[in-house]
Amino acid sequence: AQSVTQPDIHITVSEGASLELRCNYSYGATPYLFWYVQSPGQGLQLLLKYFSGDTLVQGIKGFEAEFKRSQSSFNLRKPSVHWSDAAEYFCAVGVPGTASKLTFGTGTRLQVTL
Amino acid sequence: NAGVTQTPKFRVLKTGQSMTLLCAQDMNHEYMYWYRQDPGMGLRLIHYSVGEGTTAKGEVPDGYNVSRLKKQNFLLGLESAAPSQTSVYFCASEARTYEQYFGPGTRLTVT
Repeated sequence: AQSVTQPDIHITVSEGASLELRCNYSYGATPYLFWYVQSPGQGLQLLLKYFSGDTLVQGIKGFEAEFKRSQSSFNLRKPSVHWSDAAEYFCAVGVPGTASKLTFGTGTRLQVTL
Repeated sequence: NAGVTQTPKFRVLKTGQSMTLLCAQDMNHEYMYWYRQDPGMGLRLIHYSVGEGTTAKGEVPDGYNVSRLKKQNFLLGLESAAPSQTSVYFCASEARTYEQYFGPGTRLTVT
């Protein structure tokens, strides 16, 4: 079965600083990979996804993520963080052909200081 | 176009009581899901449905039942609530694209 690890429970960055959130997955082949964001009291919103092809994917709100097969990683990045980016971020993996069931990581809470 | 809606938003139950959570989507999506979110555990899949009249168990199905009588609705039932079912419940729908759209959640407390 697939699994997802987000090693950082909580990260604090200053507004304007760059951001990288880590995600590692375990699966025998290349899974489908996702990053979701959850603002306080809200549901989850899809930021970006990777199915195949170009390993650097662009998402909404200025986020990008890079798939690295050799490291089984799919890290989320943003060059300059805004205070409104404070939220919880979830990495998820899906196995192709399995009715879209996603396995979520435990999340990373991002705090942005002004 | 409301997307995915959940009813109710908040609920407090006593141990042993029953309730039904309603999820509705207006995007004509085939797939629907129920998750629970607990601190430090991310989202865990309870049950899911790949079409009207179908349901299947997810990772943590015990104590829950579901029904999908209409394509746009997915109901989650708790027959005899337990304190361990205190959680935030999220519904999601998807059009077979692996892109899930989430509702705003239902916060349930069982005392």
